[in-house]
Amino acid sequence: GAGVSQTPSNKVTEKGKYVELRCDPISGHTALYWYRQSLGQGPEFLIYFQGTGAADDSGLPNDRFFAVRPEGSVSTLKIQRTERGDSAVYLCASSYGTSGGLSSYNEQFFGPGTRLTVL
Amino acid sequence: AQKVTQAQTEISVVEKEDVTLDCVYETRDTTYYLFWYKQPPSGELVFLIRRNSFDEQNEISGRYSWNFQKSTSSFNFTITASQVVDSAVYFCALRATGANSKLTFGKGITLSVRP
Repeated sequence: GAGVSQTPSNKVTEKGKYVELRCDPISGHTALYWYRQSLGQGPEFLIYFQGTGAADDSGLPNDRFFAVRPEGSVSTLKIQRTERGDSAVYLCASSYGTSGGLSSYNEQFFGPGTRLTVL
Repeated sequence: AQKVTQAQTEISVVEKEDVTLDCVYETRDTTYYLFWYKQPPSGELVFLIRRNSFDEQNEISGRYSWNFQKSTSSFNFTITASQVVDSAVYFCALRATGANSKLTFGKGITLSVRP
């Protein structure tokens, strides 16, 4: 079946602009995660949804970042007043459910990412 | 707090050499998962292996093998007879088994396999 998809694949914007990044998870996956990967670094956790609600948003760097998942499927990561430091690859992942299960049921599958460049 | 350290940043080998990628982790959890992911130049993270903290049995999958040592908090990854297609960035990651299932990644190791 289809994997996790993310659009756009590349986004170039100017400092101060607003951007939206979209993630379409694997069908049937109730958990969705956003990570940010800066150049030369490993992915860093931003936010995790279980269904429609944000179960953990402790990784969002500040209040310019916001994410929604209104119907429990597609999620949008929104960044206001973008700064050059926001430039990174934004990765989305999905899994069947929450953690706690000792099986591949909770494996996270990653999308190809959106490369955001803030000029 | 969880932490994953990949001290090696770049490794270059000649094809057919064996190579070991090191991973050391820190966690206060008594049960957890450890992972290795591969990120080829295309950028997509590819899952390689998941290991439960209570299972220290080493695992082999083709040319890949993993050595989990709970006593030293290490989860090392060895590629035997490396190939050019193994060139990629490799990430070690850690996840708790509790309600928060976020992955904590290391900084990654860039492996270059030369023909």
